Amino acid sequence: EAQVTQNPRYLITVTGKKLTVTCSQNMNHEYMSWYRQDPGLGLRQIYYSMNVEVTDKGDVPEGYKVSRKEKRNFPLILESPSPNQTSLYFCASRRGENSPLHFGNGTRLTVT
Amino acid sequence: AQSVAQPEDQVNVAEGNPLTVKCTYSVSGNPYLFWYVQYPNRGLQFLLKYITGDNLVKGSYGFEAEFNKSQTSFHLKKPSALVSDSALYFCAVRAGNTGKLIFGQGTTLQVKP
Repeated sequence: EAQVTQNPRYLITVTGKKLTVTCSQNMNHEYMSWYRQDPGLGLRQIYYSMNVEVTDKGDVPEGYKVSRKEKRNFPLILESPSPNQTSLYFCASRRGENSPLHFGNGTRLTVT
Repeated sequence: AQSVAQPEDQVNVAEGNPLTVKCTYSVSGNPYLFWYVQYPNRGLQFLLKYITGDNLVKGSYGFEAEFNKSQTSFHLKKPSALVSDSALYFCAVRAGNTGKLIFGQGTTLQVKP
């Protein structure tokens, strides 16, 4: 089944403790992206990757890092999480620039 | 700047009635527009898109959207709402040459039996 898989689904952590949210897609898509969803703000792009070893900042990249060492994986790294990063995070991928995005089921992160 | 707006936080309709979820956009150049739906505890699912061609676009689950260039709108419609259509709906516009999608704030659709 074609899918985008994120792990974990839920994560509670404390300020400053490094964490990684994994994302993997099995559709051989070149483009991958991370979004955060906050009430009243819709989805905002954090980082995106057009291909392996090619990443770029989205609209809200502060406090986040990503890597794209292989086509299928696009992990999101929070080196020192803060409470304002409490949010619902989505990974997505797509085939071409006018193709629809395929989304993972989300990771709900709480930073205390 | 490219942007998309969904003017209603929530839309309430009775089952069997037609529904409309509104979306307006602002882009330079040709607009590429999308609708997504989000069910509780799930990621967003693609419903339909407008790239070029007919102004009425048909999508999944009986939804359609009408592209109106003069009003810069892309409203989502369905002739007869189902309770199972209750969800959060997002309009999005493609921006720039990276193909980035800019999302609206989302509209909660509540369909009552």
